[in-house]
Amino acid sequence: DSGVTQTPKHLITATGQRVTLRCSPRSGDLSVYWYQQSLDQGLQFLIQYYNGEERAKGNILERFSAQQFPDLHSELNLSSLELGDSALYFCASSVSASGSYEQYFGPGTRLTVT
Amino acid sequence: GENVEQHPSTLSVQEGDSAVIKCTYSDSASNYFPWYKQELGKRPQLIIDIRSNVGEKKDQRIAVTLNKTAKHFSLHITETQPEDSAVYFCAASTPNAGGTSYGKLTFGQGTILTVHP
Repeated sequence: DSGVTQTPKHLITATGQRVTLRCSPRSGDLSVYWYQQSLDQGLQFLIQYYNGEERAKGNILERFSAQQFPDLHSELNLSSLELGDSALYFCASSVSASGSYEQYFGPGTRLTVT
Repeated sequence: GENVEQHPSTLSVQEGDSAVIKCTYSDSASNYFPWYKQELGKRPQLIIDIRSNVGEKKDQRIAVTLNKTAKHFSLHITETQPEDSAVYFCAASTPNAGGTSYGKLTFGQGTILTVHP
């Protein structure tokens, strides 16, 4: 167990819908990262937050957004869902905003868009 | 941006043999290189990492080497066991233009390691 929690574990929804994925970092970690894992794209970085502020963006679609709350949990919002958004979504946390520190992954949310 | 290439895509070994997975990266500014093990349907699990100021690091049966000049790093697993069977990912982290690192990891495509009893 990495100490990073994610809910829900599974999510099945229809095209065009909106969903929210939730992540709680390890105790003491200030940085949260979101990654998408699909068969064709592998593990792709989406976005990073550090202590409530956005720090870096990857190839995140405009239909996707995220935020980090004062208690440091983070939410990833996916809207106008398409079939191609079906994937495993992981969050990871780290003690620092620096990339030279270990990132620990949560168990992931498996999103299926039908 | 950073690009990480990982080889081989699949690797099959007999129990007790060694396994080596290699990665190359494109951005010479990358300074942190973790390796993750992922079992089917599970989270990526950090197994070892190395920073750019170190050439080699070992932890029991696993070791990682880094060649900054050639921009490649490798994972070595000795005395492989069936429970080592999983997908292994290498990754690289690159600082931003200001020198501090955003922390994002760029991953290789993964290596499916199968250890036969």
